[in-house]
Amino acid sequence: AQTVTQSQPEMSVQEAETVTLSCTYDTSESDYYLFWYKQPPSRQMILVIRQEAYKQQNATENRFSVNFQKAAKSFSLKISDSQLGDAAMYFCAYRSPGPSGTYKYIFGTGTRLKVLA
Amino acid sequence: GAGVSQSPSNKVTEKGKDVELRCDPISGHTALYWYRQSLGQGLEFLIYFQGNSAPDKSGLPSDRFSAERTGGSVSTLTIQRTQQEDSAVYLCASSLAGGAHEQYFGPGTRLTVT
Repeated sequence: AQTVTQSQPEMSVQEAETVTLSCTYDTSESDYYLFWYKQPPSRQMILVIRQEAYKQQNATENRFSVNFQKAAKSFSLKISDSQLGDAAMYFCAYRSPGPSGTYKYIFGTGTRLKVLA
Repeated sequence: GAGVSQSPSNKVTEKGKDVELRCDPISGHTALYWYRQSLGQGLEFLIYFQGNSAPDKSGLPSDRFSAERTGGSVSTLTIQRTQQEDSAVYLCASSLAGGAHEQYFGPGTRLTVT
């Protein structure tokens, strides 16, 4: 079964600095998708960035980028120029098509990011 | 509305009572997911609906939990004979099927069993 591991329960970063959140996963599949979601204190979960496993190029969305290492099964999130609004829980998620065409997501336990002014 | 909505936002119930949680997905989204998030924990998958296919119920923790999706739209998660360990935030998400489509999450229902 697929698993997703986030080994950093909590991280802190100074405003305007860069921080990297780690995520590793385990799978025997070759085709899958990876996501980073953000959950602010308001509780509404929103997508930060996604990566298709068949793409070698790392995804980038403004200040957010990933370091996708398929062979190492690693999918870290880099946040540049951190802002106070980046403070939230960040979840790494894995998704693959199931045997009957279902698309179950598997989430890590999350990393709480604190941004220091 | 434009997003996923859930009701109620908060629910307090006594142990042993049944509860129903509702999710209204984004119009046109064929996939609908239910998750449970306990305090300080990640998201635990409960059940997944995709179009007219049989739902993937592999995440339901016990037979006290059930869910249905009527007309391919609104979904209801029912918990019978609630226990204190059922206390959590229940999140619903919907998405278009296939590809790298993201999930859109609702605000969740915080369930407290006393």
